[in-house]
Order: sequence, then C-alpha cells, then structure tokens
Amino acid sequence: VQLVESGGGLVQPGKSLKLSCSASGFTFSSYGMHWIRQAPGKGLEWDAYISSSSGTVYADAVKGRFTISRDNAKNTLYLQLNSLKSEDTAIYYCARGKTGVDYWGQGVMVTVSS
Amino acid sequence: DVVMTQTPPSLSVAIGQSVSISCKSSQSLVHSDGKTYLNWLLQNPGQSPKRLIYQVSNLGSGVPDRFSGTGSEKDFTLKISRVEAEDLGVYHCVQATHVPYTFGAGTKLELK
Repeated sequence: VQLVESGGGLVQPGKSLKLSCSASGFTFSSYGMHWIRQAPGKGLEWDAYISSSSGTVYADAVKGRFTISRDNAKNTLYLQLNSLKSEDTAIYYCARGKTGVDYWGQGVMVTVSS
Repeated sequence: DVVMTQTPPSLSVAIGQSVSISCKSSQSLVHSDGKTYLNWLLQNPGQSPKRLIYQVSNLGSGVPDRFSGTGSEKDFTLKISRVEAEDLGVYHCVQATHVPYTFGAGTKLELK
C-alpha cells in the first residue's frame, strides 16, 4: 500500500489549492479515504471523508470551503481547498479506510500566508 | 464533537521499561453496530502516523505484541511492554465512532 500526496505549496489567504493523493498497492475503488491535517507542532485534525461510493462528510471548519473527491480510474483522491485562511496552514495527509484508517501518506505541506 | 483527553502529555522512559497511556472520551465510543472504534497511532519523529491498534485492542498488521490496548465505553489504555528505541515518538488516540473523527492531543514518548 502506498499513498503519495502532492500539490501543496505557499498560497495567499483567500486563494485556492488542489491536493492529490495517488494510491497504489490496493484496490482503491473499494476503500473510503480521508484527509487529515496537522498544523506545525500541533495535533491531528480530521477534515473530510469520502466513501467508496463517493458519499462525503466534512468537519465544520472546512464545510463549504473544502471539497473531497476521487477518480477511481486514476486511483487518485483529491482535496480542493478554497477560501484558504492562515489557520489552514498544515501538513495534509491522505489516509485509507473508514473506521480503521490503516495507512497514511507521507503528507504534503500547505502554507497560507501573504 | 467528542473530546478525547489523552494523558500524560509526555513520558520519559528507559529502554526496556513498560509504560501506559490513557485516553478518555467525552461520550461513549460504542457504535450503533456494537463495535468500539478507538484506534491508537504512533508518529515517529519527522514521519507520518502509523496505526498500531484498532477497535480498542486489535493489533495492526506487523505491530509487535509488546503493544496492547484495553478499555471500553469512554476509558481506554495503551500499554507498551519493554519499550524499544523504535517506539519513541508521539502516540495519538483517535475515535472513529462519531463524526467528526477526533484525536487526543498526543503523548510524546522520550528516552530518559
């Protein structure tokens, strides 16, 4: 199982960014997937989940600003981040599984700053 | 949201020592399906988290049996018997019963 995030970087407040998570080593379409963040020096915070059938659920802090999606043909998970705020600065991890959350990617850094 | 209270925030241990970490939830973590979705993660320095235990007491794939998890309802414990150098890092509990999923603040395990 391998999960590789990409698409991070430095972005100004109010702008947008799209993260990707490329999955391999398992049948991607069969698994629900999460995005989970970790602000510098802080704990983990769950952002969003998408089921194998593409049902979605979000944390209140990102609802209406972030959109989780998946492309099973490309074995890729996405997170569209809009209206970014400084407090969204964090490492963003994709992770596999609904309740077990058994594999995590290495993470991608998003820095929101002017 | 379910609040996960994890203690202690840090532990200083010698190799070979045994330690326990507590995680208490503000609500019962028993799901309507009867299962309890409480997991433990280890984040080694500079790395992403990796799952140690799921559903309170089940060892993840490849996890050594010096790790064990116990507990029920709102009170859970991770025990590490005979700490090894590779066990150092931050331990997180996470509940996956209620949305949003929520994490404890972490316990940093350091060498004495």
